[in-house]
Amino acid sequence: NAGVTQTPKFQVLKTGQSMTLQCAQDMNHNSMYWYRQDPGMGLRLIYYSASEGTTDKGEVPNGYNVSRLNKREFSLRLESAAPSQTSVYFCASSVLGYEQYFGPGTRLTVT
Amino acid sequence: DQQVKQNSPSLSVQEGRISILNCDYTNSMFDYFLWYKKYPAEGPTFLISISSIKDKNEDGRFTVFLNKSAKHLSLHIVPSQPGDSAVYFCAASHLMNRDDKIIFGKGTRLHILP
Repeated sequence: NAGVTQTPKFQVLKTGQSMTLQCAQDMNHNSMYWYRQDPGMGLRLIYYSASEGTTDKGEVPNGYNVSRLNKREFSLRLESAAPSQTSVYFCASSVLGYEQYFGPGTRLTVT
Repeated sequence: DQQVKQNSPSLSVQEGRISILNCDYTNSMFDYFLWYKKYPAEGPTFLISISSIKDKNEDGRFTVFLNKSAKHLSLHIVPSQPGDSAVYFCAASHLMNRDDKIIFGKGTRLHILP
């Protein structure tokens, strides 16, 4: 089992460019999440999907969109990247409410 | 408004001694608490959890204590080892709420000194 995989590992964007971060899990989990981690800020929830076909906003959703493509895949899209979106992005999955399993992260720099 | 607080950004402990990491929460509806460990350039990994119906849970060198009246939990690592140097996140959720969100603290960086 690969667990939770994320692509790409690193990305540099110019302000205004768009991109999609991909996430997939092979643990048959219903719930999937996107977080960002910034220095001194911990893990902040961007969006989550409690089950296939549903998505909900987290703490910091502005500037992002998500798609729960199927049970395995949950993507995060930045339509017009801004320097404030420079961060490390983590995808996670879980059985409802219980411990989450995280991917290795995507380090994004917006110049 | 931080619902989960880790007031110590960092902690240094001698190898072999006990490491105690603390966490406070404000939402009395939280009924499930977790600790995660994170190494640089890796995703967080689940370490140990505790349900609000218990006040202690042990797993090897790791023990989590929950004091519901004080809205406080702590993670004890005994004995501390060099590989324990990492950032530790406390987290909490309300399982009965079914909205399925886990709230994380900002983390405590633990340094194990040789």
